[in-house]
Amino acid sequence: DAGVIQSPRHEVTEMGQEVTLRCKPISGHDYLFWYRQTMMRGLELLIYFNNNVPIDDSGMPEDRFSAKMPNASFSTLKIQPSEPRDSAVYFCASSLGGLAGGSYEQYFGPGTRLTVT
Amino acid sequence: RKEVEQDPGPFNVPEGATVAFNCTYSNSASQSFFWYRQDCRKEPKLLMSVYSSGNEDGRFTAQLNRASQYISLLIRDSKLSDSATYLCVVRYQKVTFGTGTKLQVIP
Repeated sequence: DAGVIQSPRHEVTEMGQEVTLRCKPISGHDYLFWYRQTMMRGLELLIYFNNNVPIDDSGMPEDRFSAKMPNASFSTLKIQPSEPRDSAVYFCASSLGGLAGGSYEQYFGPGTRLTVT
Repeated sequence: RKEVEQDPGPFNVPEGATVAFNCTYSNSASQSFFWYRQDCRKEPKLLMSVYSSGNEDGRFTAQLNRASQYISLLIRDSKLSDSATYLCVVRYQKVTFGTGTKLQVIP
C-alpha cells in the first residue's frame, strides 16, 4: 500500500520565490496535517484539515504561508514569498480519525527538505 | 514553560543496556500520549501509545504519571538498531510534539 506521498523531496529556491509543496494522503484517511521541523524548534504543527476543511491554522507562521485541500487526495502548502528562515523539512501526515477519537496514529510522508538561499 | 519538554540527549549507551527517557507536559488536561521514533533524515513513526495503566511491547515499556505530569519510555536490552530520536507526543485539542531525545547505542 502506498503511504503518504510528498513532492518534491528536495527544493532549493531563492529568497522571494514562491514555493509549493504537495501531499497525497493515505486513501481513506480523513485528517491531514502539515508540520515543519527544524533543529531549533523541533516538529511544529502548522495546520490540519478534517474532511478537506481547515480546522486549525494557528500554527501557520504568517500570511506568507497558505494551505489548501481541494479534495480528499491532495493538499498543498504554499510559501510566497519565501525567506531563508523558512528553510526546514516540511512533513505531511494523515490519520484515520484524529482529535475526535479513533485511532490516532499519524502516518508521515518522507518530507520535503526546503532550502531558501 | 514549554508544553512538552524532553532532554535532547544524546544518550550514549552500550548494547544490551537499559535506558529510560522522560517527557514532561504542562497541561494537566492532556488526554493522549504517544512515543514516536525518528531515524536520521527520515519521517517520524509511531512507536507506541501510552496508556494510563502503562503498557509494554517487547523490549519497550511506556508509563504515564499524571500526578507528576510526565511519561516515560524504557528500553531494555538495547540494540544498535534502537539508535534514533524518540519524540514524545501529547494531545489536548491538538497534538504537540516534543523536540526529541537522541539515543545512540554503541557496540
